[in-house]
Amino acid sequence: NAGVMQNPRHLVRRRGQEARLRCSPMKGHSHVYWYRQLPEEGLKFMVYLQKENIIDESGMPKERFSAEFPKEGPSILRIQQVVRGDSAAYFCASSKKDRETQYFGPGTRLLVL
Amino acid sequence: AQKVTQAQTEISVVEKEDVTLDCVYETRDTTYYLFWYKQPPSGELVFLIRRNSFDEQNEISGRYSWNFQKSTSSFNFTITASQVVDSAVYFCALSEPHTSGTYKYIFGTGTRLKVLA
Repeated sequence: NAGVMQNPRHLVRRRGQEARLRCSPMKGHSHVYWYRQLPEEGLKFMVYLQKENIIDESGMPKERFSAEFPKEGPSILRIQQVVRGDSAAYFCASSKKDRETQYFGPGTRLLVL
Repeated sequence: AQKVTQAQTEISVVEKEDVTLDCVYETRDTTYYLFWYKQPPSGELVFLIRRNSFDEQNEISGRYSWNFQKSTSSFNFTITASQVVDSAVYFCALSEPHTSGTYKYIFGTGTRLKVLA
């Protein structure tokens, strides 16, 4: 009965590199959400996906950031050409349906040097 | 304007004291959901409680209790007889319908609770 899994837990990148963050939702959950937490702040919504579909990406920066949730495999949050300001904790959450409780993964701490 | 306000940035208490964490929310929707999550020093987010807007009944779970009052748009969280293991950042969140029709979480900025031995 595994919870939401995220990997890697910690990721270090140099400016200009790409960061790929993975999220496997809880068993039976088909809704995935990504949030970003800057140091000493609350979580901010980025994107909401269902299998193969982006439902709401209103919180995602327009450039360099993309997300997918393929039919098979984990959800991926991709950040291209990272900058220092991308350093944050990125949390993934999943739910069975829209409106239902979201359960969070342990997060990926991204550090951009 | 903040949709979820946690005015207490940091609270320190001595073990065994009771402590209340405040949460005030703002929404125009009649159907919405409120949550509390705990983020211990290890960093993960632990779900504590969910409340829907039609259920104002207060809830108690062990040393934890929640007071939901629509009249004041508040959803406060009380820990009775606090313990050192309660030290964490606590987040209140509101889930309301977005223009897309989906429900999104809006988090408060969190309250850091330090329980001293």
